[in-house]
Amino acid sequence: LAKTTQPISMDSYEGQEVNITCSHNNIATNDYITWYQQFPSQGPRFIIQGYKTKVTNEVASLFIPADRKSSTLSLPRVSLSDTAVYYCLVGAYSGGYQKVTFGIGTKLQVIP
Amino acid sequence: DAGVIQSPRHEVTEMGQEVTLRCKPISGHDYLFWYRQTMMRGLELLIYFNNNVPIDDSGMPEDRFSAKMPNASFSTLKIQPSEPRDSAVYFCASSLGTAEAFFGQGTRLTVV
Repeated sequence: LAKTTQPISMDSYEGQEVNITCSHNNIATNDYITWYQQFPSQGPRFIIQGYKTKVTNEVASLFIPADRKSSTLSLPRVSLSDTAVYYCLVGAYSGGYQKVTFGIGTKLQVIP
Repeated sequence: DAGVIQSPRHEVTEMGQEVTLRCKPISGHDYLFWYRQTMMRGLELLIYFNNNVPIDDSGMPEDRFSAKMPNASFSTLKIQPSEPRDSAVYFCASSLGTAEAFFGQGTRLTVV
């Protein structure tokens, strides 16, 4: 499984755009990049997944450069409710299931 | 659907006692996962099932841990005997084999 590296913590003011970058230098050809969000006292929640270039949904955007050795999760105009831990996961589908490993994640603190 | 349901939400037990954690996955999901989360190690995958069959239990820390899935709507994680170092939050998740796994609220286990 590809190892991921992301900042341990980040602070941001309300209304700002937040970009969290994840490094995955040894990503394999078949690996996808997935981000999860976890609020205190809750289980993680899927945010977005991508393979290359850019993916956007109602919650976030995911930017993946051509070499795929890193990815950036972008949260537009964050609010206090976006305070959470964000996990970057890299893994390939095997037998119908994407094998991934959760790391420690990035703790995002949104400040009023 | 009510989502993934775990019980109990909190469990306090004495060292040496047997502990059983329960999980009801989302109806129709054919993958079920058990995770353990601690401050030191983050979120670790213990075991996962596909169509009620255990596929990968390499994350189960010791023989004291066992998991079963007798049918598509129920799974248990048992620790016997329990030890203080087993104290953690245990999450159950289910999915259709895609990147989007749905997590339960977790069971906070404290072994004293």
